[in-house]
Amino acid sequence: DVKVTQSSRYLVKRTGEKVFLECVQDMDHENMFWYRQDPGLGLRLIYFSYDVKMKEKGDIPEGYSVSREKKERFSLILESASTNQTSMYLCASMPGRLGNQPQHFGDGTRLSIL
Amino acid sequence: LAKTTQPISMDSYEGQEVNITCSHNNIATNDYITWYQQFPSQGPRFIIQGYKTKVTNEVASLFIPADRKSSTLSLPRVSLSDTAVYYCLVGEGGGFNKFYFGSGTKLNVKP
Repeated sequence: DVKVTQSSRYLVKRTGEKVFLECVQDMDHENMFWYRQDPGLGLRLIYFSYDVKMKEKGDIPEGYSVSREKKERFSLILESASTNQTSMYLCASMPGRLGNQPQHFGDGTRLSIL
Repeated sequence: LAKTTQPISMDSYEGQEVNITCSHNNIATNDYITWYQQFPSQGPRFIIQGYKTKVTNEVASLFIPADRKSSTLSLPRVSLSDTAVYYCLVGEGGGFNKFYFGSGTKLNVKP
């Protein structure tokens, strides 16, 4: 079974802090994704990566950056956290390069910025 | 870009068949249609995927008409444990794998 592990289930940080959210997958998948989920807005794609050191912007990349130094690990970085980044963050991985493979999700990190 | 539209919520009773329709008017030739289920405090979980016509697995069926501009997820004989949010996802194939989730349909199954 594919396992996607997010480093924290709950995280509380202060405005202006640099925040790191970590995600690890154990199935050698090429693709990894970061989404945020807010009530009434569903899942919105922040960034994705289709290979080590490669990244592409999603729908809402502003205020975020990502890092993928190893195939199994994809990090989301909030350079200077703001209260409007309080949200549920979901990481996913997917094999292959086409849209016919399902994504496998972690259980999310609920991030609160005070 | 293929975005999707789903009903915000649906109610059903245990034992009934539930059909949730998703509209994706701008679906591209290479796109697949995938449905996910999400329970509170969990990540979405894959249910079923299809390209055209009908696909069936042990938990659901997926109906896709010839023009592929919509799809219908069918859940046979739902139970209380099927209460969840269901997302329709259209994959933008071709190598860059950008995926667009709909806002999801909150299915409430009543006893």
